[in-house]
Amino acid sequence: QSALTQPRSVSGSPGQSVTISCTGTSSDVGGFNYVSWYQQHPGKAPKLMIYDVSERPSGVPDRFSGSKSGNTASLTISGLQAEDEADYYCCSYAGSYTWVFGGGTKLTVL
Amino acid sequence: QVQLVQSGSELKKPGASVKVSCKASGYIFISYAMNWVRQAPGQGLEWMGWINTNTGNPTYARGFTGRFVFSLDTSVSTTYLQIRDLKADDTAVYYCARVGGGPRGYGMDVWGQGSTVTVSS
Repeated sequence: QSALTQPRSVSGSPGQSVTISCTGTSSDVGGFNYVSWYQQHPGKAPKLMIYDVSERPSGVPDRFSGSKSGNTASLTISGLQAEDEADYYCCSYAGSYTWVFGGGTKLTVL
Repeated sequence: QVQLVQSGSELKKPGASVKVSCKASGYIFISYAMNWVRQAPGQGLEWMGWINTNTGNPTYARGFTGRFVFSLDTSVSTTYLQIRDLKADDTAVYYCARVGGGPRGYGMDVWGQGSTVTVSS
């Protein structure tokens, strides 16, 4: 499986909204509603932010939302806060009990 | 509380083997599959595969067949990652992460703290 495509970096000012895209194919993102998103701060383990395209685990602020259109999934963070600055990774089911991650996006809060 | 606790850092020479452990607590071990994820220095997350904790059946991602072995011991709620014939490129942080599936969703909702494996002569 090839890694899903994410922008290397995005940025926004506090209070603004940013959207991170995750592009795959019909064999992964487009074929299943099993896209998840992870936040990773430096030196820390990843944290689940969104699963099954748009579901939010308990404890994750509702500023984080997920969606999908065709072969592209998106993570939107509204009301940006300083603590949102981190790396974000998408992950999709790719069939045959396999998964694939995106290359990661560095979010900078200006 | 629900947690995955991994074994500590390892420094190994090329050609050696290493076995990383991931001990689960706070939930029914066999109710969740366990994934392994690699993160090389300064790089992104890479899915290595997963093990069915009910059957012990492993699935490996392309690029992680042959030298990588997943195993488990249900009596101590622990999964293992063994890497044989270590190479410098295996230097990375290795994470275990559980997935519930079905109505619980297909996200990796609990992660271990990571185990650093360094391969150097």
